[in-house]
Amino acid sequence: NAGVTQTPKFQVLKTGQSMTLQCAQDMNHEYMSWYRQDPGMGLRLIHYSVGAGITDQGEVPNGYNVSRSTTEDFPLRLLSAAPSQTSVYFCASSYSMADRGFGGYTFGSGTRLTVV
Amino acid sequence: KNQVEQSPQSLIILEGKNCTLQCNYTVSPFSNLRWYKQDTGRGPVSLTIMTFSENTKSNGRYTATLDADTKQSSLHITASQLSDSASYICVVSPLSGGYNKLIFGAGTRLAVHP
Repeated sequence: NAGVTQTPKFQVLKTGQSMTLQCAQDMNHEYMSWYRQDPGMGLRLIHYSVGAGITDQGEVPNGYNVSRSTTEDFPLRLLSAAPSQTSVYFCASSYSMADRGFGGYTFGSGTRLTVV
Repeated sequence: KNQVEQSPQSLIILEGKNCTLQCNYTVSPFSNLRWYKQDTGRGPVSLTIMTFSENTKSNGRYTATLDADTKQSSLHITASQLSDSASYICVVSPLSGGYNKLIFGAGTRLAVHP
């Protein structure tokens, strides 16, 4: 049982390049989400999904696309990377979106992205 | 204005000492308040969860308290160990939302020195 797996762990991009951050979970969780973590700020929600085929925007969605073709995978795409997207990205998942306070929210280990 | 403010921003203590981290929030009403531990290069891991009606919750050497009247929470670490060196994040869940509505504090970075 691997939990939430993110790849790659580190990535350097040039401005304008595109790439996909991968996220996979093996817990049969319906809810998956992407956050970015910047120095001095709390985690901010980029996009989330409540199930296969359903995605929605979070607090900071501009510059990012997502899709959810399977329950297990939730990739995050940067179409044209910008220096402002330099950050640490975390994927998280839960059995459902309902936050009942039972702690069932699992984070991946993160992807550190640098855009030069 | 950030709805979840944590203090101090960073803290250095000696191994074996106790410490207390603070979280002030303006989110109201809220469903629950969580404390997460984030080791360097890792994702956050849940330490404690308190609903609005609880005022204390322990997890080993970690004890979280909640004062809903003053909108303050604290995380007390007893007999610190080198492995406690990490960032500690306070997270508040508004009553009307799900996991897509969580509000994260910026965290307190704790360093435990031998």
